[in-house]
Amino acid sequence: AQSVTQLDSQVPVFEEAPVELRCNYSSSVSVYLFWYVQYPNQGLQLLLKYLSGSTLVKGINGFEAEFNKSQTSFHLRKPSVHISDTAEYFCAVSDPYLQGAQKLVFGQGTRLTINP
Amino acid sequence: DGGITQSPKYLFRKEGQNVTLSCEQNLNHDAMYWYRQDPGQGLRLIYYSQIVNDFQKGDIAEGYSVSREKKESFPLTVTSAQKNPTAFYLCASRPGQGANEQYFGPGTRLTVT
Repeated sequence: AQSVTQLDSQVPVFEEAPVELRCNYSSSVSVYLFWYVQYPNQGLQLLLKYLSGSTLVKGINGFEAEFNKSQTSFHLRKPSVHISDTAEYFCAVSDPYLQGAQKLVFGQGTRLTINP
Repeated sequence: DGGITQSPKYLFRKEGQNVTLSCEQNLNHDAMYWYRQDPGQGLRLIYYSQIVNDFQKGDIAEGYSVSREKKESFPLTVTSAQKNPTAFYLCASRPGQGANEQYFGPGTRLTVT
């Protein structure tokens, strides 16, 4: 079964500094990868996704992620964060060969806190 | 406005009572999902449904039940058999063939005392 590990449960960063949120997945076969953001007491919003093609994926709000197959990683980055980026971020994986269900397996989440 | 609606936002129940959480979508999506979120554990899949009148257990289905009588609606019942029902519950949906990402509702926070 697939699993996702988000290596940091909490990441504090100063405003305008760069940030990287780390995500590793277990499967060595083809996968679909996603990053979602959750603001307090809200649902999840898709930031970006990797299905195939270019390993550098750009998303909303200035975020990007790089797919690294050899390291089974999909780290999320932003060059300069804002107070409004304070939220919880989830990495998720699904199996492209599993027709129909497209179940997502989520990591435990990383709480990003931006300090002024 | 298209989207996923979950109601109510906050729900309080006494232990031993069944409670039903509502999830409605007007996106014409085929698949729908229920997740449970606990602090530090990410999201765990409870049940999912790919078409009307069909649904499958997820990873933590014990103590929960669902129905899918209409494409737009996927209610979740938390039964008295669920040992730790207090949690944040999220409903999601996904379009049919060729779509990969799931779209999430705003969630319902259930507190059982």
